[in-house]
Amino acid sequence: EVRLVQSGAEVKKPGESLTISCQGYGYGFNGFWIAWVRQMPGKGLEWMGRVDPSDSYVDYSPSFEGHVTISVDESINTAFLQWSSLKASDTAMYYCARPLGNSGYEYYFDYWGQGTLVTVSS
Amino acid sequence: QSVLTQPPSASGTPGQRVTISCSGSSSDLGSNTVNWYQQLPGTAPKLLIYADIQRPSGVPHRFSGSRSGTSASLAISGLQSADEAEYHCAAWDGSQNVYVFGTGTKVTVL
Repeated sequence: EVRLVQSGAEVKKPGESLTISCQGYGYGFNGFWIAWVRQMPGKGLEWMGRVDPSDSYVDYSPSFEGHVTISVDESINTAFLQWSSLKASDTAMYYCARPLGNSGYEYYFDYWGQGTLVTVSS
Repeated sequence: QSVLTQPPSASGTPGQRVTISCSGSSSDLGSNTVNWYQQLPGTAPKLLIYADIQRPSGVPHRFSGSRSGTSASLAISGLQSADEAEYHCAAWDGSQNVYVFGTGTKVTVL
């Protein structure tokens, strides 16, 4: 059974750093990209970027580049999303998701993690 | 990064047919297929329709999709209370190499 299991909820203060994770089970982890998706409270979904576990290549959405860092450790089947200095506006639910392909008509998410709620408040 | 435009809400009584629209541009819906995700309250999104019209295993035939030009739509026939959820369209944008989501539509069963 394919599963993406994310790390637990986090409560942080502005300016703190944070790394959340997404571990894949039940499939060849190196064979599929992992993407990160943000959902701010009461809002829609936003694609943040993606990583290819086979070579650690990362693509960012222009809206998120420079604000977060996406990485992967294929030896433990885990992708990461990292902030060096959190802001209150980073408060959101963050999902990892696995696309079938890498672009075009094959780019859709057939598996999602359960989500990690990040709350940033002083 | 552009987003796809959806109506904020849609509603119907049990058994009715509800349609949700999704409007994009030549670089996303005009060039690539649309996907739809259903997000039940408090849960992660789930793939509902992919490649315009395809249903993953387990998705009822009551859900159907279509795409024409730079627009797409999702239809729910025989509406049920279990269909109360947020629905998101999405497509690959080949000009920016990003995946764009719609603004989301909340479906209410009256």
